This record gives sequence, structure tokens and C-alpha cells, in this order.
Amino acid sequence: DVKVTQSSRYLVKRTGEKVFLECVQDMDHENMFWYRQDPGLGLRLIYFSYDVKMKEKGDIPEGYSVSREKKERFSLILESASTNQTSMYLCASSLFSAGPPGELFFGEGSRLTVL
Amino acid sequence: GEDVEQSLFLSVREGDSSVINCTYTDSSSTYLYWYKQEPGAGLQLLTYIFSNMDMKQDQRLTVLLNKKDKHLSLRIADTQTGDSAIYFCAERVGSQGNLIFGKGTKLSVKP
Repeated sequence: DVKVTQSSRYLVKRTGEKVFLECVQDMDHENMFWYRQDPGLGLRLIYFSYDVKMKEKGDIPEGYSVSREKKERFSLILESASTNQTSMYLCASSLFSAGPPGELFFGEGSRLTVL
Repeated sequence: GEDVEQSLFLSVREGDSSVINCTYTDSSSTYLYWYKQEPGAGLQLLTYIFSNMDMKQDQRLTVLLNKKDKHLSLRIADTQTGDSAIYFCAERVGSQGNLIFGKGTKLSVKP
């Protein structure tokens, strides 16, 4: 069974703390993505990666960075957490191929609260 | 730029049909998707349609695509309380694998 695992379901951090959100997939997918989900705003892409050590900015990269040292692992880093980064963070992965169906497989999400 | 629009809420009675609508802007979309998100969970793919098709049926689900109007719909027949969830429309543009998501439609099913 395909699996995308996010290390923490719930986190509470203080303003200014450094936060790491980890995501691991066991499907040998090339593509990995980080989204944040907010009520009324849907999913917004933060960063994505097509290969190890490669990263591309999404729609809202400000305040975030990512790391992809191994194919199966994609980390989202908040260098100095702020209250407006309180959100649900979703990791996803997919095959690189442009063929069908190109679906994304999602993790369960990490709900981050910044106080 | 690319944009995907869908209404935020839909309420139906158990046993009725639900129709969730979506519009998109990029005519070069290759695939269009419907994802379902149950409370406290990630998104799961429900169904998808290739852009050169106009209809796809899968058990209780019917997807209709009007490419001219850039309109996609998801019909759920005999809606059940277990269908209560948020449904996201998404389009795939280009070959890089990124999807553009709508804001999601929250479907509430009343007994």
C-alpha cells in the first residue's frame, strides 16, 4: 500500500522557534510537494522538488525553506515561526512521468499552531 | 495565471444526488481531478479525467467535462452520510506534475 508519512500530526511552537516538518514516502516517487491548507483558501503550494537536492518555489515560499537530501524524504523548515504560519501542512508525492494519471498521494497532514 | 474555482459549501439530503461544480482557466490542462478530504485526514484521489474526454463514470461517481466552457462537475448518486467531506477540484498543467487546486467544496449530507 502506498504511503506518505508525516512525522508529526500536531505541533505547538512558540514565535521565533525553528520548526522542522518531516515527510517520508515509500513509493520511490521523484516528485514531492509541501502545501498549506487554510479555511477558505484551499491548498497553496509552498515548495516542491523533482529530484534529490532540487527544489522549486511554489506560490507562497516566503518564510519557508526545504531540504531534500534523500529521494524518500522532503523536509519543510520554518526558520523563525510566526503566528501567521499556524496552519495545516500537507505533504504529497507523485511519479515524475507526465503519463496518466499523475495523481498526488497525500500524507495525513501536520497541524501546526504557533503561539 | 492558472485558477480553479468552486463553491465552498453544498448541503444535500441522504439519497439525493450531489453535484459539485468547478471552473478552471488554463486550456492546456492535461488531466483534471477530484480529491476527497475527510475530517482530520489528507486528500485522497476520487477520480480523474483526461482532457480529451467529456465524461467518465465510476460506480456512483460521474465526472462531466465541458472543455469549451472549462467546466468540470462531479455528480455523486444516492449520496450517503459517509460522503460528507471536502471535495477538491484540481488541474494538471504541463508535464512537471504540479496540480492547481480549487478551494474545496464542503459537502454536508443530512439524514
